[in-house]
Amino acid sequence: DAGVIQSPRHEVTEMGQEVTLRCKPISGHNSLFWYRQTMMRGLELLIYFNNNVPIDDSGMPEDRFSAKMPNASFSTLKIQPSEPRDSAVYFCASSVDRRTYNEQFFGPGTRLTVL
Amino acid sequence: KNEVEQSPQNLTAQEGEFITINCSYSVGISALHWLQQHPGGGIVSLFMLSSGKKKHGRLIATINIQEKHSSLHITASHPRDSAVYICAAYGGSQGNLIFGKGTKLSVKP
Repeated sequence: DAGVIQSPRHEVTEMGQEVTLRCKPISGHNSLFWYRQTMMRGLELLIYFNNNVPIDDSGMPEDRFSAKMPNASFSTLKIQPSEPRDSAVYFCASSVDRRTYNEQFFGPGTRLTVL
Repeated sequence: KNEVEQSPQNLTAQEGEFITINCSYSVGISALHWLQQHPGGGIVSLFMLSSGKKKHGRLIATINIQEKHSSLHITASHPRDSAVYICAAYGGSQGNLIFGKGTKLSVKP
């Protein structure tokens, strides 16, 4: 298996632009997680899905952030409009089933820089 | 106060030394993750455990649910073990991962 796939790996954009991050979970995994990592705050959960349904988005910073999972093999995290404070590494992870606390497998991350 | 605390924050060791990284948590948890993040940024899951001890190669993880404490041990450390080690607890009302700040380990040859 290729593991969790994220794209792009690096994104540089200007303040005010829309940014879309993409994630393909491991086939057969039905839980998907979006995390953000910054120097100041470390790793933080933004949102997670179970069977394509958002379960908890309380970690999403504000309305500028939105996430979708239209099917079991694809998810997006969108920031519109982007701001410099959104600069971070965004990780996607997947697991077999969140409810049974299964091991999570992380993607390589997307390093976002907002100028 | 952070719900998951790791110590030390930074650790420098000589090659071959036995290393211990500690993780204490205040939330009620069902399981705990140890993750490794290399300088390149990728995150790898090392262990997930809910009781007792697990061993994989030179790595050993233990957890004491009653004391709310877990340790990660590295025997015969090697420079390639240099990384940030992150403890993450499955806890809280939603059963989500709550992360520690990480321990940056540097093993000198």
